[in-house]
Amino acid sequence: EVVLTQSPATLSLSPGERATLSCRASQSLNSYLAWYQQKPGQPPRLLIYDASIRATGVPARFSGSGSGTDFTLTISSLEPEDFAVYYCQQRTNRGTFGQGTKLEIK
Amino acid sequence: QVQLVQSGAEVKKPGASVKVSCKASGYTFRTYGISWVRQAPGQGLEWMGWISVRDNNTEYAERFDGRVTMTSDTRTSTVYMELRSLTSADTAVYFCARGTYDYWGRGSLVIVSS
Repeated sequence: EVVLTQSPATLSLSPGERATLSCRASQSLNSYLAWYQQKPGQPPRLLIYDASIRATGVPARFSGSGSGTDFTLTISSLEPEDFAVYYCQQRTNRGTFGQGTKLEIK
Repeated sequence: QVQLVQSGAEVKKPGASVKVSCKASGYTFRTYGISWVRQAPGQGLEWMGWISVRDNNTEYAERFDGRVTMTSDTRTSTVYMELRSLTSADTAVYFCARGTYDYWGRGSLVIVSS
């Protein structure tokens, strides 16, 4: 089973700052990694797929990078609506998720 | 517009089964599979499995294999997820998502309690 480890567990930043979230896989995923944003009481929202492709309607401040086992989600300048929980998901072998990173307002 | 409409909340006793539905509309049903993901209260996302609605091929997470069955009905564009031998640890919101994970249902709450 592929294990995804996200870090940090919690990230405290202020609006306007840059956020960098990490996802590390226990084995190579090539580029089959996705990122999601989830707010309370809502289903997850797809942000990035295939490591770096923004989903339809996702603002350009969200970007994904990485390949193999190390991946990063970057939010270039935080907006108030960006504070949420973020999950990575691998799609190479079934569909496991990371444990999530909570992005909170500092 | 693409919609995935899920069935309502359920309360089940330990040992029982639950069957959650996910009705798709707004796209050609056979084009995409459907995945199921659950989320226990205050916890993260857990992938349960996937079904190809074209040929009913399924793939389940190892921890649910033998306890979950996913089926589809192309006549009604509906996918079903049945989970058996429920315990309190199965209390969660169950989401369906289109195969590319770009559209999700709102979730179905399942509570397992004696």
